[in-house]
Amino acid sequence: GDSVTQMEGPVTLSEEAFLTINCTYTATGYPSLFWYVQYPGEGLQLLLKATKADDKGSNKGFEATYRKETTSFHLEKGSVQVSDSAVYFCALSMNRDDKIIFGKGTRLHILP
Amino acid sequence: DAGITQSPRHKVTETGTPVTLRCHQTENHRYMYWYRQDPGHGLRLIHYSYGVKDTDKGEVSDGYSVSRSKTEDFLLTLESATSSQTSVYFCAISGGLDGTYEQYFGPGTRLTVT
Repeated sequence: GDSVTQMEGPVTLSEEAFLTINCTYTATGYPSLFWYVQYPGEGLQLLLKATKADDKGSNKGFEATYRKETTSFHLEKGSVQVSDSAVYFCALSMNRDDKIIFGKGTRLHILP
Repeated sequence: DAGITQSPRHKVTETGTPVTLRCHQTENHRYMYWYRQDPGHGLRLIHYSYGVKDTDKGEVSDGYSVSRSKTEDFLLTLESATSSQTSVYFCAISGGLDGTYEQYFGPGTRLTVT
């Protein structure tokens, strides 16, 4: 079945470091791909999305490119801040029954 | 931010009592979902709705029921709460008039069953 696999955390970085959180997917069709972020005590927020191959989603300095050939959607940021500390979820939608499949989440800690 | 509210935000209840959680949206979105979030399990879908009075089960529906009598409201009921239902519950909505498929989440309800 369709699934999402993302790197396990926690990931700990110093402020201004480069961030990569890996995400790969398995799908029988052409999914839309998403990254969500969850700050402590809050619900998930949509961070960025891509709906077709080679699309790049971007928001708040974060980027991810939809790579069909490697079935990946890795999240990157060039210079992280303490305020980026959160849990990040990779997800996909088959645009069929409007359900989303989430990865298990990656906790990110940024040290000042 | 999508207009989604959940009530109550926190609740402590005893084993065996019924509990109802409410999700209210002001976005006129077609689809609504209930998830639970637990350490080590990520997000798990409980039930979802694709229209008024149209609902279906998710992967962890045992012990839960839902109702949707109006577009804007989606209720989750625990008929007889158990300690294993202690969790954080999130409502989400999707499927606006522009055909988008991303989901927008409410702030969550933290439920403790003692």
